[in-house]
Amino acid sequence: AQKVTQAQTEISVVEKEDVTLDCVYETRDTTYYLFWYKQPPSGELVFLIRRNSFDEQNEISGRYSWNFQKSTSSFNFTITASQVVDSAVYFCALSELGPGNNRKLIWGLGTSLAVNP
Amino acid sequence: DAGVIQSPRHEVTEMGQEVTLRCKLISGHNSLFWYRQTMMRGLELLIYFNNNVPIDDSGMPEDRFSAKMPNASFSTLKIQPSEPRDSAVYFCASSLSRFQETQYFGPGTRLLVL
Repeated sequence: AQKVTQAQTEISVVEKEDVTLDCVYETRDTTYYLFWYKQPPSGELVFLIRRNSFDEQNEISGRYSWNFQKSTSSFNFTITASQVVDSAVYFCALSELGPGNNRKLIWGLGTSLAVNP
Repeated sequence: DAGVIQSPRHEVTEMGQEVTLRCKLISGHNSLFWYRQTMMRGLELLIYFNNNVPIDDSGMPEDRFSAKMPNASFSTLKIQPSEPRDSAVYFCASSLSRFQETQYFGPGTRLLVL
C-alpha cells in the first residue's frame, strides 16, 4: 500500500539555522507525484511544490530547497536560514492512482516546525 | 482569481443538529476533495468528486455524513445528526482535473459540536 512517513513529529530551531524535514514514501506506481504543503498557525493549507517521479532534479525556491531521491524513496525539504515566519506544520504527500484512473493524495502526519527568535 | 471558498468559517452547534458546510471550487477546476483534520487522526480524505461524480467515498465516517455536488462549481457536506466527535476542521480542495493532482485548499470550516 502507498504510504508516506514523516518521522520527525516536532522540530525546534533558532532563527537563521538551516533545517531539513524528512519525507520517505512507499509506492508500487511507476508514475507518481510528491508534494509538500505548509500549514501555518492561521490554519490554511498552502501548496509549496509538486514533483513528478521522472524528474529527480533538485528544486530551489528562495530559501526553500527540495531533494528528491528515488533510490532511497525520499523527498526531503530544507529551509535555509530559517525565520520565525517559517513556523508551521509541513505535510508531505504522495499521489495514488485510484478508481477510474483518478488520483488522490496520501498524506504524511506532518512535521511541526518551531523557529524561535 | 479567487481561490477555493468555504462557508461558514466557524460553526458552533449542539449535538443532534444538522450541519451543512459549503464549498465553491476554483473556476475551471473539475475535481473536488473534502477532508477532515483533527489532532488525533490528522488529515483524512472523506470523499472526492470528478466532474460532479463521487469517485471514492470510502473515507466518509458513517451514514450521518453526506456530500453532494449539485453543479460543477459548488459542493456541500452535510452532517445529520451531528455529534461531539464530529468536531474538527473541514477543508475542501479543488484541482484542475483528475490527472492534475495539485490540490488547492480552502480556508477550512472549524466545527464545534457541543
